[in-house]
Amino acid sequence: QSALTQPASVSGSPGQSITISCTGTSSDVGGYKYVSWYQQHPGKAPKLMIYDVSNRPSGISNRFSGSKSGNTASLTISGLQAEDEADYYCSSFTISSTYVFGTGTKVTVL
Amino acid sequence: QLHLQEPGPGLVKPSETLSLTCTVSGGSISSSSYYWGWIRQPPGKGLEWIGTIYYSGNTYYNPSLKSRVTMSVDTSKNQFSLNLSSVTAADTAVYYCARHQGYFDLWGRGTLVIVSS
Repeated sequence: QSALTQPASVSGSPGQSITISCTGTSSDVGGYKYVSWYQQHPGKAPKLMIYDVSNRPSGISNRFSGSKSGNTASLTISGLQAEDEADYYCSSFTISSTYVFGTGTKVTVL
Repeated sequence: QLHLQEPGPGLVKPSETLSLTCTVSGGSISSSSYYWGWIRQPPGKGLEWIGTIYYSGNTYYNPSLKSRVTMSVDTSKNQFSLNLSSVTAADTAVYYCARHQGYFDLWGRGTLVIVSS
C-alpha cells in the first residue's frame, strides 16, 4: 500500500491560517470516514488532533479543523501559533482492513 | 488514565528477530471497543503502520511486512507483543504501540530499536 500524499512543508505567520492536504484514493481516504490527523513534536510520540475526518478529541483547540472532499482530506490550523510548529501526519483506514499514514508535513511558523 | 509502555531491547543483530512487548496499565486490554497496534518511524522519516491485534487474537498486518510480522496478545498480563523476523538495517526505527478504534488515540512513548552487528 502506498503512503498518502502530503506536502513536505507548509509555513505561515502567527495568526494566519494554513491548510495541509492529504491525498489518497477511493480505496482509503475517499472510501471511509476513518481519516485522522496527528501532530508530532521532535522526539515526542504523535498526538491525535482530528479523528473521523472532522472530529476533535477532548482538549484539542478548536483552531484545528478537518474536512474531506473526494480522495483528499485536509487539516486547517487557524490563528497559527508558535506551538503549532511540528510535523503533521494524516492516516486512513483502507479497503484491505489496513491503515496507511501520510508522508508527513513540516509546519513552520515564520 | 490508560497508559501504554513499550520498553525494548535497543539493539538487534541483522537477520535476528526483533521482539517488543507493550504493557497496558490503567485499563483492560480486553475491552471490546479497542484494537491495539504497532507503528514505527525510522530516524528522520515518517510513520508506518505495522499491524493491529484485537484482544481475541485477530490480527491485521501491513502487506509490505506481513511475511515477517507476528503479533500476539496476553490478556492475563494486559500485554500485546510484536515479533519482526529477519531484520535488516532498514528496520531501525522508533517503535510505538498504540490503542486504536479507527484512529490511534493513545500512544506509548516509543522505543528506539537499532539493527546492527
